Amino acid sequence: GENVEQHPSTLSVQEGDSAVIKCTYSDSASNYFPWYKQELGKRPQLIIDIRSNVGEKKDQRIAVTLNKTAKHFSLHITETQPEDSAVYFCAAGGSYIPTFGRGTSLIVHP
Amino acid sequence: NAGVMQNPRHLVRRRGQEARLRCSPMKGHSHVYWYRQLPEEGLKFMVYLQKENIIDESGMPKERFSAEFPKEGPSILRIQQVVRGDSAAYFCASSPADRGRNEKLFFGSGTQLSVL
Repeated sequence: GENVEQHPSTLSVQEGDSAVIKCTYSDSASNYFPWYKQELGKRPQLIIDIRSNVGEKKDQRIAVTLNKTAKHFSLHITETQPEDSAVYFCAAGGSYIPTFGRGTSLIVHP
Repeated sequence: NAGVMQNPRHLVRRRGQEARLRCSPMKGHSHVYWYRQLPEEGLKFMVYLQKENIIDESGMPKERFSAEFPKEGPSILRIQQVVRGDSAAYFCASSPADRGRNEKLFFGSGTQLSVL
């Protein structure tokens, strides 16, 4: 089955800095890579996703890049704000069941 | 659209009791997933269902756990004879996807199960 590794487990940045979270996956058949944000005590919510026919996707301050050859993908958040503080999960899906990484706790200090 | 509805939000059970967690998918969604989340850990897949069918239950323990998604009514995750290790947040998600194609998942607010 699919195995997703996510790093770092904790990321602390100053407001205005950029944050990068990296994930690797094992199954070369995976073709869908979503990212979810979970605020404390709340549900995970999709913030951006990318499919394997695209190398990069951007939505305002967030972007995701995908390297299929190396089997890794990354989330980039620019100009971080305190409200970006949350746990971020990457996932990889090849059939119909996304496999999630263990999450990255992002802390943005004002 | 009310989104994915889960209830109860919090459930307290004593060891040996049964826990029933309910999930109503978003309107128009016929696919339901159950995930378990422990502190400091990710979302662990448990089971994937369509109406009246269990498609994949490879992540669900073979004993004490069962799931259903009847033709009418919500999906139910049932845990019999709960133990302290069952304490976790259980999230349900739904998607409109046809089997074989990944689509985004919409999560409910979760049920926090505490076993005393």
